[in-house]
Amino acid sequence: EVQLVESGGGLVQPGRSLRLSCTSSGFTFRDFAMTWVRQAPGKGLEWVAFIRSKSYGGTSDYAASVQGRFTISRDDSTSIAYLQMSSLSTEDTAVYYCSRAIRTGGRYYFDSWGQGALVTVSS
Amino acid sequence: EIVLTQSPGTLSLSPGERATLSCRASQSVSSGYLAWYQQKPGQAPRLLIYGASSRATGIPDRFSGSGSGTDFTLTISRLEPEDFAVYYCQQYGSSFTFGPGTKVDI
Repeated sequence: EVQLVESGGGLVQPGRSLRLSCTSSGFTFRDFAMTWVRQAPGKGLEWVAFIRSKSYGGTSDYAASVQGRFTISRDDSTSIAYLQMSSLSTEDTAVYYCSRAIRTGGRYYFDSWGQGALVTVSS
Repeated sequence: EIVLTQSPGTLSLSPGERATLSCRASQSVSSGYLAWYQQKPGQAPRLLIYGASSRATGIPDRFSGSGSGTDFTLTISRLEPEDFAVYYCQQYGSSFTFGPGTKVDI
């Protein structure tokens, strides 16, 4: 069974940094792309960041709203995906979900999701 | 960026009724790279449909997806009590964007 468990969320002051982790099990992590999606309180879903498997270059993409502030990475030896967030603002307050991405025709959809980690940015 | 619009915003129905949810894209979604997700309060989203019309593993056949180009539809043939939730469409043909969601309530 695919399992994704986010951790590292919490309360952080504006301008500070925070790192989220997504610990994966039940599948061969190195073979899959991974992504982060967030949901502000009472709002819809917003894609944040994406990282391909090493087989497809291990490259990453970002939403314009986080480009230059967030960094996605992966450690295939421990099956963990990370989201390093810096220069946080109150607009980054959200539940952050990690998800496994399935490749099809060179594109990816998100088939399995973690339970989410709440990040609250407030002074 | 491809912008997705979902209608209606809220759909009020009863168990046993048919639900038809619409998702319209601001430009053509290449090769039908369109997915649908269900989200219940306090839960993570769940993949229902990918490739516009392919059901994900374990999804009941009362859920079906259709459409191409800029117009897509999610149909729930007969609503079960557990189907009352928010439904999001997402395109993955050009980066990733989600629609604002349709709430299906009683």
